[in-house]
Amino acid sequence: KAGVTQTPRYLIKTRGQQVTLSCSPISGHRSVSWYQQTPGQGLQFLFEYFSETQRNKGNFPGRFSGRQFSNSRSEMNVSTLELGDSALYLCASSGTSGINTGELFFGEGSRLTVL
Amino acid sequence: QKEVEQDPGPLSVPEGAIVSLNCTYSNSAFQYFMWYRQYSRKGPELLMYTYSSGNKEDGRFTAQVDKSSKYISLFIRDSQPSDSATYLCAMAGANSKLTFGKGITLSVRP
Repeated sequence: KAGVTQTPRYLIKTRGQQVTLSCSPISGHRSVSWYQQTPGQGLQFLFEYFSETQRNKGNFPGRFSGRQFSNSRSEMNVSTLELGDSALYLCASSGTSGINTGELFFGEGSRLTVL
Repeated sequence: QKEVEQDPGPLSVPEGAIVSLNCTYSNSAFQYFMWYRQYSRKGPELLMYTYSSGNKEDGRFTAQVDKSSKYISLFIRDSQPSDSATYLCAMAGANSKLTFGKGITLSVRP
């Protein structure tokens, strides 16, 4: 069974640009969550989508947005990039249809560097 | 006060040692408790998952939850160099948001 696939794995952008990251969950999983990981803050929750609806959102500015498609694939977008957006962005999928019990399966992440 | 506090690292132990990793939390709504392991340049992978106070054992790993003290631990027996990784505690309430500790990097010396 294929795992969670994230693309691209590495990317470099400059301040002010925007970026779109993609995530394909494990087949059959309908919940996709996004996390930002930095050395200083650790793993921070961005948002979660379930059946194309945003179910939860973390404390990030509106520059961070996401969406989920009918095939459960998800994208997140960061507009007007800032230096502080440099991080590893992790996508995780879950098979639970209701309350998230934390059994998440993570991808290997997209490492974003903002210059 | 952060919702989840994890012992800072890094931690270095000799092969065969017993390792104890700990987290405390402040949110009484947390019901589900997990430990994730993250190898360098990889995403986190679920190690242990519990939803009640007490101990849960899986091979060389034991997860312990004390809800009254808001304290969780992960014990690794007979530690191996392959256990060298970053360990993250994580917790969730009745919503869909997982809150992670900052992680501790463990190094097991051969």
